[in-house]
Amino acid sequence: KQEVTQIPAALSVPEGENLVLNCSFTDSAIYNLQWFRQDPGKGLTSLLLIQSSQREQTSGRLNASLDKSSGRSTLYIAASQPGDSATYLCAVRDSGNTPLVFGKGTRLSVIA
Amino acid sequence: DAGVIQSPRHEVTEMGQEVTLRCKPISGHDYLFWYRQTMMRGLELLIYFNNNVPIDDSGMPEDRFSAKMPNASFSTLKIQPSEPRDSAVYFCASSSPQGAGHYGYTFGSGTRLTVV
Repeated sequence: KQEVTQIPAALSVPEGENLVLNCSFTDSAIYNLQWFRQDPGKGLTSLLLIQSSQREQTSGRLNASLDKSSGRSTLYIAASQPGDSATYLCAVRDSGNTPLVFGKGTRLSVIA
Repeated sequence: DAGVIQSPRHEVTEMGQEVTLRCKPISGHDYLFWYRQTMMRGLELLIYFNNNVPIDDSGMPEDRFSAKMPNASFSTLKIQPSEPRDSAVYFCASSSPQGAGHYGYTFGSGTRLTVV
């Protein structure tokens, strides 16, 4: 059974810092991996989707990498801003027909 | 596209009452998922549908929970009778069809359920 772990559970950084959020999964035979952002009391917003054949995806200041063989993904946020404060969730899909399995998220606080 | 639409946004009900949550997926998406989120357990999959057919309901916690998808544009999650431990945020998500080149999820804004 696929399990997704995110470390750390919470992170606080000063504004302007570059930071990395980590995600690991137990079964490396994944179909794709998706990073989401969740603001307090809100739904999930998709940030980046990496297919199993890809190594990374970029969107603005965000870069997500995927290393299937080691069961790891990282989300890199450049030049962090207070508006980046949110919970970031990693999720993997084992096949095109199966649901996403979520980690519990990393709660990020960017201090001005 | 209005995205995945859930209603109501908030629901407060008394223990023992029936609760019905509603979801309208994105048009053309053939997968629909119901998740529950709590602080302790994170996001848990309750049930999912493909082409309106329930595929896996093993995450439904008890017989008090039931879900239907009568057509491609509507699904309901019902709890009867509700209990205080059912208090959580319930999310609906839909996913694009195979072959479309993108299998990402789109989530609704969720229904915050409080059972008192």
